[in-house]
Amino acid sequence: EVQLVESGGGLVKPGGSLRLSCATSGFTFSAFAMTWVRQAPGKGLEWVSSISSRSAYIRYSDSLKGRFTISRDDAQNSLYLQMNSLTAEDTAVYYCARAAGFGESLVDYWGQGTLVTVSS
Amino acid sequence: DIQMTQSPSTLSASVGDSVTITCRASQSIGSWLAWHQQRPGKAPKLLIFDASRLESGVPSRFSGSGSGTEFTLTIRGLQPDDFATYYCQQYNSPLFTFGQGTRLEIK
Repeated sequence: EVQLVESGGGLVKPGGSLRLSCATSGFTFSAFAMTWVRQAPGKGLEWVSSISSRSAYIRYSDSLKGRFTISRDDAQNSLYLQMNSLTAEDTAVYYCARAAGFGESLVDYWGQGTLVTVSS
Repeated sequence: DIQMTQSPSTLSASVGDSVTITCRASQSIGSWLAWHQQRPGKAPKLLIFDASRLESGVPSRFSGSGSGTEFTLTIRGLQPDDFATYYCQQYNSPLFTFGQGTRLEIK
């Protein structure tokens, strides 16, 4: 069974940093692209960043303005998101997801999400 | 970026009804379209991919159709568990995007 478990969310002050982790199991992690998707309170789904298998390519949403860094550790079957210079607009549930299919962009499995709250 | 527009934003229906949700892309995406269901307080779940292929374990009352720029999700014989928010997702582009969501509520 595919499992994705996020951790690292919490309350952080504006301008602060946070590192999210996603522990995976039930599939060959190294063979799949992975992605982060976020959902602000009461809002829709927003793609944040993706990383291909073997980290061959990394992509970010333009809205992040270079503040976030995605990475993966295939030995640990884990995905990460380093978030810097956080603002209130970054408050959201952050989902780790597996990406497959055409262009490795079809989200086929989701984690349960971790809440990031940016507030003073 | 490819923009995805869903309609309606909210849909009211009763158990047993059939409903259709539409998703339009700002440019052709072939059949690279998925539908995800999100129940309140839960993570999304993939229902349909490649516009019309049912994900394993998804009931056959769900169906998808379309290609190019216009797509539909149909649910026949609504069950209580189906009242949720539905999102389309295009994956024609690596910078994939979601529709704004359609909330299906009980009438």
